[in-house]
Amino acid sequence: SFELTQPPSVSVSPGQTARIPCSADALPKQYAYWYRQKPGQAPILVIYKDSERPSGIPERFSGSSSGTTVTLTISGVQAEDEAEYYCQSADSSGAFVVFGGGTKLTVL
Amino acid sequence: QVLLQESGPGLVKPSETLSLTCAVSGYSISSGYFWGWIRQTPGKGLEWVATFYHSGNTYYNPSLKSRVTISIDTSKNQFSLRLSSVTAADTAVYYCARYYYDGSGSLGEYYFDYWSQGTLVTVSS
Repeated sequence: SFELTQPPSVSVSPGQTARIPCSADALPKQYAYWYRQKPGQAPILVIYKDSERPSGIPERFSGSSSGTTVTLTISGVQAEDEAEYYCQSADSSGAFVVFGGGTKLTVL
Repeated sequence: QVLLQESGPGLVKPSETLSLTCAVSGYSISSGYFWGWIRQTPGKGLEWVATFYHSGNTYYNPSLKSRVTISIDTSKNQFSLRLSSVTAADTAVYYCARYYYDGSGSLGEYYFDYWSQGTLVTVSS
């Protein structure tokens, strides 16, 4: 098994860039996925395969990967982006799923 | 559009069995894809419970495996979760979801693409 570690919180002002890292404690690397969850709502997928954006997700959302850390970047943050963000991955067979602890993005 | 909707009691007594059903519309669960359950304890993060394929393989979170049972009713296009011997620690919002599973590439693709709205189950006497 492995774990994904995220910072509990990130704060940015509107229009700035938010970066949320997610680090894995074990190799080999698998793709990471990002979900956004607003209060009282179900999570929605915002990034898949480290850096791909599903249809309907604004272009300001992007993802990147370096070593065992993946990063969700939100450029030109808007008030509506305030939410909890979770990274997720799985083992090489897809039989074991792990979520990061979540990062609360606050738009100041 | 794939829609998932859970149903089941919102209150369960300690030591009893939690039972939830997820009805799927817009896609036949027997046509493919894996499906799964995820939960979220109040104020906490997401926890994977189990994922399964309609005709076989079921994968469980090791910390819950001994208490979890998954069943599938393809005639009703729904699947169910049973969690036995519940305690207050099992109080959570439970989500059902479709699990995209593709192990064909050099790196597999494994993620949840459609989620239900979630249902709160409280364990209390």
